[in-house]
Amino acid sequence: DTAVSQTPKYLVTQMGNDKSIKCEQNLGHDTMYWYKQDSKKFLKIMFSYNNKELIINETVPNRFSPKSPDKAHLNLHINSLELGDSAVYFCASSLLWGGPSSTTDTQYFGPGTRLTVL
Amino acid sequence: AQTVTQSQPEMSVQEAETVTLSCTYDTSESDYYLFWYKQPPSRQMILVIRQEAYKQQNATENRFSVNFQKAAKSFSLKISDSQLGDAAMYFCAYREGGSEKLVFGKGTKLTVNP
Repeated sequence: DTAVSQTPKYLVTQMGNDKSIKCEQNLGHDTMYWYKQDSKKFLKIMFSYNNKELIINETVPNRFSPKSPDKAHLNLHINSLELGDSAVYFCASSLLWGGPSSTTDTQYFGPGTRLTVL
Repeated sequence: AQTVTQSQPEMSVQEAETVTLSCTYDTSESDYYLFWYKQPPSRQMILVIRQEAYKQQNATENRFSVNFQKAAKSFSLKISDSQLGDAAMYFCAYREGGSEKLVFGKGTKLTVNP
């Protein structure tokens, strides 16, 4: 069974469209993330949710809206797609949200979704 | 802000040989964690090894080991007995204690030659 799954794996769409990427984890983790990997392979965090609550919100256009219906799912909706949105988007999850002295915790990544905006 | 630097965009190694990938980081924190992730052509991000900053002992996972130099803020990855399946992008990452935000370096592309 896949621990962190994303759908779709590939997404090709026209500029201006609205699209969603879904993410599900079956690890029983409390925290989920979205990362963006650009064409130069640079990986940067976008959002993080803990128990359905938004924890991290980096400088991301408000065209991007994460939605967490439950702890096991974190979907990414993108409005009015632009050429610069073309990238690989990774979902990840980890067991716990870190406290002041959090123990080491590992983030488990999904297979990625390659989004191409034409 | 914390930064992670991987100064080698590309590296190559002969099969069965040893290679070391470099990583330096910048932080004023004392509680943090360091990771190496592997990204093969399949795109999946796979955790290779992790190190807690408070531990002096270098982490080891089979053929993978790190050289953690806390004072120098250096965290290099050594791959012994390189195999063709080790060919991938390798990313060094930093996480501050109390945060789940991973900060990644720009990656090193490793080629393994038969």
